[in-house]
Amino acid sequence: AQSVSQHNHHVILSEAASLELGCNYSYGGTVNLFWYVQYPGQHLQLLLKYFSGDPLVKGIKGFEAEFIKSKFSFNLRKPSVQWSDTAEYFCAVGEYAGGGNKLTFGTGTQLKVEL
Amino acid sequence: GAVVSQHPSWVICKSGTSVKIECRSLDFQATTMFWYRQFPKQSLMLMATSNEGSKATYEQGVEKDKFLINHASLTLSTLTVTSAHPEDSSFYICSVIWTGATEAFFGQGTRLTVV
Repeated sequence: AQSVSQHNHHVILSEAASLELGCNYSYGGTVNLFWYVQYPGQHLQLLLKYFSGDPLVKGIKGFEAEFIKSKFSFNLRKPSVQWSDTAEYFCAVGEYAGGGNKLTFGTGTQLKVEL
Repeated sequence: GAVVSQHPSWVICKSGTSVKIECRSLDFQATTMFWYRQFPKQSLMLMATSNEGSKATYEQGVEKDKFLINHASLTLSTLTVTSAHPEDSSFYICSVIWTGATEAFFGQGTRLTVV
């Protein structure tokens, strides 16, 4: 069974600081990898995803993530965070099942960006 | 706008009663719906996978007689927590996916409190 580990549970940054959130997974097969964001009071939204191809994927709002197969990692990065990036971020591994990706989530990282 | 509507957003019920949570796909026909549960400070845990017109597939450790899932149409799935107990208090989230899609869309979640 797959598992996902997010090492940073709470991160506090000042605006314009760079962000990197760690995500490691364990899964024996071909992985589909995702980062989701949940802004306060809102739905989970997809930030970016990796299925195959270029291991550096770019998502919405200036976020990117790099899949490093040898390290079983899929870290999320943003060069310069904004106050509006305050949210909870979830890394997830997808296993294709019954018509869609069955997701295993990490525990989430709460990001607070201070002005 | 939201493509998945989950209702209610929060519910408080007495121990021993049953609670039904609805998940509606607003803009498309959802062939597969997933139900997740999230305890405080923990990850989203997949409870079951629901395909329209067939029985739900439950994850290990999830009681199918306690968490009844009905996916009667391509736009509606329901999760009924039967004979709820305080330990069932949690945040329940549905996600939907349609054939050919590479990402799932999430509902806003339902906060269940059993007193």
